[in-house]
Amino acid sequence: QVQLVQSGAEVRQPGASVKVSCKTSGYSFTAYDIHWVRQAPGQRPEWMGWIKPDSGDTHYAPKFQGRVTVTRDTSIRTAFMELTRLTSDDSAVYYCVRGTGSLHFWGQGTVVTVSS
Amino acid sequence: DIEMTQFPSTLSAFVGDRVTITCRASQNIRNWLAWYQQKPGKAPKLLIYKASNLEEGVPSKFSGSGSETEFTLTINSLQPDDFGTYYCQQYSRSPVTFGGGTNVEI
Repeated sequence: QVQLVQSGAEVRQPGASVKVSCKTSGYSFTAYDIHWVRQAPGQRPEWMGWIKPDSGDTHYAPKFQGRVTVTRDTSIRTAFMELTRLTSDDSAVYYCVRGTGSLHFWGQGTVVTVSS
Repeated sequence: DIEMTQFPSTLSAFVGDRVTITCRASQNIRNWLAWYQQKPGKAPKLLIYKASNLEEGVPSKFSGSGSETEFTLTINSLQPDDFGTYYCQQYSRSPVTFGGGTNVEI
Protein backbone atom coordinates (compact mmCIF):
# COMPACT_ATOMS: atom_id res chain seq x y z
CA GLN A 1 0.00 0.00 0.00
CA VAL A 2 1.04 3.59 -0.56
CA GLN A 3 2.92 4.99 2.45
CA LEU A 4 4.69 8.26 3.14
CA VAL A 5 6.67 8.21 6.39
CA GLN A 6 8.13 11.46 7.64
CA SER A 7 10.99 12.23 9.97
CA GLY A 8 10.43 13.07 13.61
CA ALA A 9 9.60 16.24 15.46
CA GLU A 10 12.09 19.11 15.38
CA VAL A 11 12.77 22.07 17.66
CA ARG A 12 14.70 25.02 16.27
CA GLN A 13 15.68 28.47 17.41
CA PRO A 14 14.59 31.53 15.44
CA GLY A 15 16.85 32.13 12.45
CA ALA A 16 17.78 28.47 12.09
CA SER A 17 16.82 26.01 9.33
CA VAL A 18 14.98 22.70 9.37
CA LYS A 19 14.99 19.80 6.91
CA VAL A 20 12.16 17.26 6.91
CA SER A 21 12.32 13.95 5.06
CA CYS A 22 9.51 11.91 3.51
CA LYS A 23 10.24 8.28 2.67
CA THR A 24 7.79 6.67 0.27
CA SER A 25 6.84 3.09 -0.51
CA GLY A 26 4.15 1.09 -2.27
CA TYR A 27 4.21 2.86 -5.62
CA SER A 28 6.52 4.12 -8.37
CA PHE A 29 8.26 7.09 -6.73
CA THR A 30 8.95 8.92 -9.98
CA ALA A 31 5.37 8.66 -11.27
CA TYR A 32 3.68 11.15 -8.90
CA ASP A 33 4.39 14.65 -7.65
CA ILE A 34 5.16 15.21 -3.98
CA HIS A 35 3.65 18.29 -2.37
CA TRP A 36 4.45 19.93 0.94
CA VAL A 37 1.65 21.41 3.04
CA ARG A 38 1.88 22.88 6.52
CA GLN A 39 -0.75 23.58 9.14
CA ALA A 40 -0.35 25.82 12.15
CA PRO A 41 -2.49 25.05 15.22
CA GLY A 42 -6.14 25.94 14.58
CA GLN A 43 -5.40 27.18 11.07
CA ARG A 44 -6.25 26.01 7.58
CA PRO A 45 -3.66 23.98 5.66
CA GLU A 46 -1.16 26.05 3.70
CA TRP A 47 0.44 24.77 0.49
CA MET A 48 4.19 25.34 0.17
CA GLY A 49 5.23 23.73 -3.10
CA TRP A 50 5.85 20.53 -5.04
CA ILE A 51 8.51 18.49 -6.75
CA LYS A 52 8.34 16.20 -9.74
CA PRO A 53 10.51 13.28 -8.61
CA ASP A 54 11.37 12.14 -12.13
CA SER A 55 12.88 15.44 -13.27
CA GLY A 56 13.50 17.22 -9.99
CA ASP A 57 11.50 20.21 -11.22
CA THR A 58 10.04 22.26 -8.38
CA HIS A 59 7.41 24.94 -7.94
CA TYR A 60 6.95 26.99 -4.79
CA ALA A 61 4.24 29.22 -3.39
CA PRO A 62 5.36 32.88 -3.65
CA LYS A 63 5.08 33.23 0.12
CA PHE A 64 7.89 30.70 0.63
CA GLN A 65 10.02 31.46 -2.45
CA GLY A 66 13.61 32.00 -1.37
CA ARG A 67 13.15 30.25 1.97
CA VAL A 68 12.04 26.76 0.95
CA THR A 69 13.89 24.12 -1.02
CA VAL A 70 12.36 20.77 -1.96
CA THR A 71 14.66 18.02 -3.21
CA ARG A 72 14.52 14.29 -3.73
CA ASP A 73 16.77 11.24 -3.79
CA THR A 74 15.31 8.69 -6.17
CA SER A 75 17.71 5.97 -4.99
CA ILE A 76 16.01 5.95 -1.58
CA ARG A 77 12.55 7.06 -2.75
CA THR A 78 12.66 10.04 -0.42
CA ALA A 79 11.71 13.68 -0.73
CA PHE A 80 13.05 16.48 1.46
CA MET A 81 11.82 19.94 2.41
CA GLU A 82 14.18 22.51 3.88
CA LEU A 83 12.91 25.79 5.33
CA THR A 84 15.38 28.49 6.32
CA ARG A 85 15.33 31.68 8.42
CA LEU A 86 12.72 30.25 10.76
CA THR A 87 10.47 32.42 12.90
CA SER A 88 7.82 31.54 15.47
CA ASP A 89 5.24 31.82 12.67
CA ASP A 90 6.78 28.71 11.11
CA SER A 91 5.77 26.53 14.06
CA ALA A 92 3.39 24.03 12.48
CA VAL A 93 2.83 20.45 11.40
CA TYR A 94 4.49 19.86 8.03
CA TYR A 95 3.07 17.21 5.70
CA CYS A 96 4.35 15.61 2.55
CA VAL A 97 1.59 14.51 0.22
CA ARG A 98 1.41 12.50 -2.99
CA GLY A 99 -0.91 14.24 -5.37
CA THR A 100 -1.71 15.64 -8.77
CA GLY A 101 -3.29 18.87 -7.57
CA SER A 102 -5.76 17.09 -5.39
CA LEU A 103 -3.80 15.61 -2.49
CA HIS A 104 -4.41 11.90 -2.21
CA PHE A 105 -1.91 10.29 0.15
CA TRP A 106 -0.59 12.16 3.20
CA GLY A 107 2.35 11.52 5.45
CA GLN A 108 1.77 11.42 9.18
CA GLY A 109 3.12 14.95 9.65
CA THR A 110 6.22 16.38 11.30
CA VAL A 111 5.86 18.87 14.14
CA VAL A 112 8.29 21.77 13.85
CA THR A 113 8.53 24.08 16.84
CA VAL A 114 10.43 27.34 16.59
CA SER A 115 11.27 28.76 19.99
CA SER A 116 14.12 30.51 21.73
CA ASP B 1 -4.14 34.20 -4.93
CA ILE B 2 -7.56 32.58 -5.26
CA GLU B 3 -9.49 33.01 -2.03
CA MET B 4 -11.66 30.13 -0.87
CA THR B 5 -14.55 30.93 1.47
CA GLN B 6 -16.45 28.21 3.28
CA PHE B 7 -19.68 28.39 5.20
CA PRO B 8 -20.91 27.72 7.71
CA SER B 9 -17.78 27.79 9.86
CA THR B 10 -19.51 25.55 12.41
CA LEU B 11 -22.35 23.14 11.85
CA SER B 12 -24.24 21.28 14.57
CA ALA B 13 -26.38 18.37 13.42
CA PHE B 14 -27.99 15.16 14.60
CA VAL B 15 -27.26 11.57 13.70
CA GLY B 16 -29.15 10.75 10.53
CA ASP B 17 -29.23 14.32 9.23
CA ARG B 18 -28.23 15.37 5.74
CA VAL B 19 -25.81 18.29 5.85
CA THR B 20 -24.41 20.59 3.19
CA ILE B 21 -21.23 22.67 3.26
CA THR B 22 -20.63 25.44 0.73
CA CYS B 23 -17.35 26.67 -0.70
CA ARG B 24 -16.97 29.77 -2.89
CA ALA B 25 -13.94 30.65 -4.98
CA SER B 26 -12.94 34.24 -5.69
CA GLN B 27 -12.31 33.31 -9.34
CA ASN B 28 -13.53 30.70 -11.80
CA ILE B 29 -11.72 27.46 -10.95
CA ARG B 30 -13.77 25.31 -13.34
CA ASN B 31 -14.03 22.01 -11.44
CA TRP B 32 -10.55 21.91 -9.92
CA LEU B 33 -11.81 21.54 -6.38
CA ALA B 34 -11.24 18.94 -3.66
CA TRP B 35 -12.82 18.27 -0.27
CA TYR B 36 -11.05 16.88 2.80
CA GLN B 37 -12.06 15.65 6.22
CA GLN B 38 -9.69 16.19 9.14
CA LYS B 39 -9.90 14.80 12.63
CA PRO B 40 -7.92 16.21 15.57
CA GLY B 41 -4.25 15.28 15.47
CA LYS B 42 -4.55 13.60 12.05
CA ALA B 43 -3.69 14.52 8.50
CA PRO B 44 -6.52 15.62 6.22
CA LYS B 45 -8.18 12.82 4.26
CA LEU B 46 -9.25 13.32 0.65
CA LEU B 47 -12.97 12.74 0.09
CA ILE B 48 -13.79 14.31 -3.28
CA TYR B 49 -11.61 15.51 -6.16
CA LYS B 50 -12.43 17.36 -9.37
CA ALA B 51 -15.55 18.70 -7.64
CA SER B 52 -17.63 15.52 -7.79
CA ASN B 53 -15.35 12.48 -8.01
CA LEU B 54 -15.42 10.21 -4.98
CA GLU B 55 -11.98 9.15 -3.81
CA GLU B 56 -11.45 5.39 -3.72
CA GLY B 57 -12.58 3.87 -0.45
CA VAL B 58 -14.71 6.85 0.60
CA PRO B 59 -18.34 5.99 1.36
CA SER B 60 -20.95 7.09 -1.17
CA LYS B 61 -22.73 9.07 1.57
CA PHE B 62 -20.30 11.84 0.63
CA SER B 63 -20.98 13.71 -2.58
CA GLY B 64 -19.74 16.88 -4.21
CA SER B 65 -21.20 19.22 -6.80
CA GLY B 66 -20.69 22.61 -8.37
CA SER B 67 -18.45 24.34 -10.86
CA GLU B 68 -16.75 27.67 -11.56
CA THR B 69 -17.11 29.55 -8.26
CA GLU B 70 -19.66 27.71 -6.14
CA PHE B 71 -19.37 24.20 -4.76
CA THR B 72 -21.09 22.02 -2.19
CA LEU B 73 -20.22 18.97 -0.14
CA THR B 74 -23.18 16.90 1.02
CA ILE B 75 -23.05 14.26 3.72
CA ASN B 76 -26.05 11.96 3.87
CA SER B 77 -27.18 10.13 6.98
CA LEU B 78 -24.69 11.76 9.33
CA GLN B 79 -23.01 9.37 11.74
CA PRO B 80 -20.91 10.01 14.87
CA ASP B 81 -17.72 9.16 12.95
CA ASP B 82 -18.39 12.04 10.53
CA PHE B 83 -17.41 14.67 13.10
CA GLY B 84 -14.38 16.76 12.25
CA THR B 85 -13.32 19.72 10.18
CA TYR B 86 -13.97 19.78 6.46
CA TYR B 87 -11.85 21.83 4.06
CA CYS B 88 -12.23 22.70 0.41
CA GLN B 89 -9.13 23.25 -1.75
CA GLN B 90 -8.67 24.72 -5.20
CA TYR B 91 -5.94 23.53 -7.53
CA SER B 92 -6.87 25.47 -10.63
CA ARG B 93 -4.12 28.03 -10.22
CA SER B 94 -0.94 28.28 -8.19
CA PRO B 95 -0.68 28.75 -5.30
CA VAL B 96 -3.04 26.01 -4.20
CA THR B 97 -5.34 27.43 -1.53
CA PHE B 98 -7.69 26.02 1.11
CA GLY B 99 -10.94 27.24 2.58
CA GLY B 100 -11.16 28.20 6.23
CA GLY B 101 -12.86 24.97 7.25
CA THR B 102 -16.25 23.85 8.56
CA ASN B 103 -16.34 22.21 11.97
CA VAL B 104 -19.05 19.55 12.00
CA GLU B 105 -20.37 18.72 15.45
CA ILE B 106 -22.65 15.77 15.96
